[in-house]
Amino acid sequence: GNSVTQMEGPVTLSEEAFLTINCTYTATGYPSLFWYVQYPGEGLQLLLKATKADDKGSNKGFEATYRKETTSFHLEKGSVQVSDSAVYFCALSRPTGNQFYFGTGTSLTVIP
Amino acid sequence: NAGVTQTPKFQVLKTGQSMTLQCAQDMNHNSMYWYRQDPGMGLRLIYYSASEGTTDKGEVPNGYNVSRLNKREFSLRLESAAPSQTSVYFCASSDSLGTILYNSPLHFGNGTRLTVT
Repeated sequence: GNSVTQMEGPVTLSEEAFLTINCTYTATGYPSLFWYVQYPGEGLQLLLKATKADDKGSNKGFEATYRKETTSFHLEKGSVQVSDSAVYFCALSRPTGNQFYFGTGTSLTVIP
Repeated sequence: NAGVTQTPKFQVLKTGQSMTLQCAQDMNHNSMYWYRQDPGMGLRLIYYSASEGTTDKGEVPNGYNVSRLNKREFSLRLESAAPSQTSVYFCASSDSLGTILYNSPLHFGNGTRLTVT
């Protein structure tokens, strides 16, 4: 079947620390991969995406590379800020079925 | 540009009551979705509509019904609410259509926080 597994949180980092949130997936075919971010009291917002192997998605200093050989799409940022505190979701979509599959989310808190 | 609008934002129901959650999008998207979000469980798909006139069950459809009223609107109905349906409900839309544009991302509303006592 199709599924997404993310590292469990919560994650607490100091400002300017390096961030990695691991995400691995199981899917048939060639899925597209996404990272979404959810701030308190809000819906999810697209952070970045990658649609084929070796693609790198990037936005607001965050990056993730679509690794088909390891079925991974880890999220990284070189220097986190307090404003990055949020819940991060990894997700995939498949070419058929119109469905999206989400991980359980990783809560990040950045302290000054 | 409003994007995806959900109403109401908050709701408290008693067990057995019914209600309809409303969702509308102004992006001319083909596909619309209803998810519920519970602590530790991420987002689970309740129902989706791949195009106007079609609806399909997702992972957790029991206790819910949906209506794709037109291309813009997709409502979720709880016929007889139960405490297990206490959750945050998100509507989302996407430009995907079958195998076309399947890598189009989801656009989410801000959610409806439902408590069933």
